[in-house]
Amino acid sequence: GAVVSQHPSRVICKSGTSVKIECRSLDFQATTMFWYRQFPKKSLMLMATSNEGSKATYEQGVEKDKFLINHASLTLSTLTVTSAHPEDSSFYICSAPLPLQLNTEAFFGQGTRLTVV
Amino acid sequence: AQRVTQPEKLLSVFKGAPVELKCNYSYSGSPELFWYVQYSRQRLQLLLRHISRESIKGFTADLNKGETSFHLKKPFAQEEDSAMYYCAPLEGGSQGNLIFGKGTKLSVKP
Repeated sequence: GAVVSQHPSRVICKSGTSVKIECRSLDFQATTMFWYRQFPKKSLMLMATSNEGSKATYEQGVEKDKFLINHASLTLSTLTVTSAHPEDSSFYICSAPLPLQLNTEAFFGQGTRLTVV
Repeated sequence: AQRVTQPEKLLSVFKGAPVELKCNYSYSGSPELFWYVQYSRQRLQLLLRHISRESIKGFTADLNKGETSFHLKKPFAQEEDSAMYYCAPLEGGSQGNLIFGKGTKLSVKP
């Protein structure tokens, strides 16, 4: 069935380096991908919406140059955390809405735990 | 302004007891509403959606437009129900974005 695959599930990086997180839609095409961030003991917060072939739409307060989103194909969206800092440590989750003819629910990736040391 | 509210951060019940996880929303009209569950170390997954009016794992949720609520209920809680539960209306139509509540951690004790 339709699945969203997110990679890596865990990553530890040094301050100042960049980290790329991939989100792939399997068995279906996703023109839209949503990227969420989950802070400890808080809800998921939408960071941005990536759109295939165009620029991502960022939520207020999210730094575009810090969190680079690329949606180069109908099955792949990437989130790159640039010049990572310890405060970027968090749980990042992507999701994609299924095509209308299948359902309107969204499927979530398994999430990426980013730790910046 | 917050658009979805889950007032309880933690709900602890004993096995076999009824459980109700509260959710209130502040959208006008009839938003599409979902409950998602996240078991320990697993991905977030859909539990149920109000349109289908189905019962999953014994859970049901009724949309009350008058009270703008979508509470999740189960008559007899099981230990395996322990998890984080998120209420989420869908904003922006069928291809729109899920807006998550802060979540309620359900703990079912033996």
